[in-house]
Amino acid sequence: AQSVTQPDIHITVSEGASLELRCNYSYGATPYLFWYVQSPGQGLQLLLKYFSGDTLVQGIKGFEAEFKRSQSSFNLRKPSVHWSDAAEYFCAVVMDTGRRALTFGSGTRLQVQP
Amino acid sequence: EAGVAQSPRYKIIEKRQSVAFWCNPISGHATLYWYQQILGQGPKLLIQFQNNGVVDDSQLPKDRFSAERLKGVDSTLKIQPAKLEDSAVYLCASSPGTGAYNEQFFGPGTRLTVL
Repeated sequence: AQSVTQPDIHITVSEGASLELRCNYSYGATPYLFWYVQSPGQGLQLLLKYFSGDTLVQGIKGFEAEFKRSQSSFNLRKPSVHWSDAAEYFCAVVMDTGRRALTFGSGTRLQVQP
Repeated sequence: EAGVAQSPRYKIIEKRQSVAFWCNPISGHATLYWYQQILGQGPKLLIQFQNNGVVDDSQLPKDRFSAERLKGVDSTLKIQPAKLEDSAVYLCASSPGTGAYNEQFFGPGTRLTVL
């Protein structure tokens, strides 16, 4: 069965610092990979997605993620964090065949220090 | 374009009571999902509809949970009777189709507290 692991439950960074959130997946073939952000009281918003092609994908709000097949990883990065980026971030995977609903990781909560 | 609407936003009930949640997806979206998000966890799929047919309900606790999507538009999710462990946020999402490449758009969720 497919699974997604986000090893960091909670991360704190200073405003203006760089950010990397880790995501590892377990699946036999290349899945479709997603990063979502969830702000308090709001629904999940898609940041970016990877299906195929260029392994470095750009998303909204200045985020990017890199797919590394050899490491089964899809880490999210941002060069300079803003206070408004404080939220919970979820990595998710969908299989191309069969069950097509999202399988989410447990999330990483990001705090931004002034 | 209006987003996915859900109501109520908050609900507090006692165990063994029943509760219902409502979702109105984005107009024209054929696929509708209900997810359960327990505190500290990622959302977990409960049921997926394609138009008014069920695509996947393998993780729906059918002894107490039921869902319907009449006329292939809005949907209701019901819990009867509720248990303490049902306390969670219930998220509704919709997408234009079932393909994995279709973005899912999420509503704000309904926060259920079972006492």
